[in-house]
Amino acid sequence: QQQVKQSPQSLIVQKGGISIINCAYENTAFDYFPWYQQFPGKGPALLIAIRPDVSEKKEGRFTISFNKSAKQFSLHIMDSQPGDSATYFCAASVQLWEGGSEKLVFGKGTKLTVNP
Amino acid sequence: ETGVTQSPTHLIKTRGQQVTLRCSSQSGHNTVSWYQQALGQGPQFIFQYYREEENGRGNFPPRFSGLQFPNYSSELNVNALELDDSALYLCASSLIWRGGYTFGSGTRLTVV
Repeated sequence: QQQVKQSPQSLIVQKGGISIINCAYENTAFDYFPWYQQFPGKGPALLIAIRPDVSEKKEGRFTISFNKSAKQFSLHIMDSQPGDSATYFCAASVQLWEGGSEKLVFGKGTKLTVNP
Repeated sequence: ETGVTQSPTHLIKTRGQQVTLRCSSQSGHNTVSWYQQALGQGPQFIFQYYREEENGRGNFPPRFSGLQFPNYSSELNVNALELDDSALYLCASSLIWRGGYTFGSGTRLTVV
């Protein structure tokens, strides 16, 4: 129940296209849903995040869509660029203890390749 | 404002040995979390430290231990290394957990 399932495992998109990555969860205690971008040899970097009381959040070319009833959320990358080629992780935050700080549960990642 | 710094960047150890990985938190951050990222997988939560005490732990055995120092830097210690401990170990710091961690670039540990 502490899992976050992410798909697809890999994605190839042409420059200018739309990249879509999907995630699903079971645990209703998750209360914060960030997306991370990771380049080879680097740590994950926060890209965009959403709380479950919001259905959509957009920052530049990146949009999160959130469906609370379906327990699903997705990342859309508009006008994908070769520089977007990286591994993307969805994650969900859950409290370590009631009223306390939280940990992240990550999906397995999606390797995005944007061809020129 | 400095980011999260981890050392060393790469490390090769022999099975059965012990290893210590180090992390300097981002300036102003007082909470440190450690994650293990196996090749091709998402990061897995190991534990978190706040005010020099373990604040929560994931599904890792006791041979994984840590410390947080008064300056909020941290260490991850792994005893009796196993081949499956080979992974990228990530340190992440935060001030108050509601805005996202800042991750370091990690330490790549190879156990042979």
